[in-house]
Amino acid sequence: QKEVEQDPGPLSVPEGAIVSLNCTYSNSAFQYFMWYRQYSRKGPELLMYTYSSGNKEDGRFTAQVDKSSKYISLFIRDSQPSDSATYLCAMRPYNTDKLIFGTGTRLQVFP
Amino acid sequence: DVKVTQSSRYLVKRTGEKVFLECVQDMDHENMFWYRQDPGLGLRLIYFSYDVKMKEKGDIPEGYSVSREKKERFSLILESASTNQTSMYLCASSTAGTGNYGYTFGSGTRLTVV
Repeated sequence: QKEVEQDPGPLSVPEGAIVSLNCTYSNSAFQYFMWYRQYSRKGPELLMYTYSSGNKEDGRFTAQVDKSSKYISLFIRDSQPSDSATYLCAMRPYNTDKLIFGTGTRLQVFP
Repeated sequence: DVKVTQSSRYLVKRTGEKVFLECVQDMDHENMFWYRQDPGLGLRLIYFSYDVKMKEKGDIPEGYSVSREKKERFSLILESASTNQTSMYLCASSTAGTGNYGYTFGSGTRLTVV
């Protein structure tokens, strides 16, 4: 079993929809949680960073961490065609700098 | 604007060639990483370095070596390229410890071995 599980998609939604992207994990030591966005033929870029449990909002994006369920989510409101990309979750425990990545979910937002 | 720069976007090499992939960061980061990314397999860590001349094997180090002679530069070496090393290679860097808010990635090098 992988430490981090992520549905690969693709997820196809109309413009303006609310998108929910999710990851589950098995290691209860994970403390730091991130979401990366990767456009085709580009490197991943950091989108959201959260520490421990709770919510964090940045514009149309909200990251949610539920450590009791070992589940993290990224919500995108009012999705745009420019949001079409692969979204990777990543996480690490407090005592290492190495991130563990999900395999990524491909999102397509059509006009 | 902080940057991780990978020397080549696209490379085509022949089987058996020695291949060098170069990565430079300008953020004074302690940590540097090399990943390969393949469809359906996600990001797989090849090697990482937490200081100059220091390195640790990742999940798939076989067929690769690395060099970090200066803090800002981390090189990935394919000793004898094979077709199963055709992939997208991504370099990343980060600060160490509690200041680590995630990696900064380069744009990637798409390597094709023929």
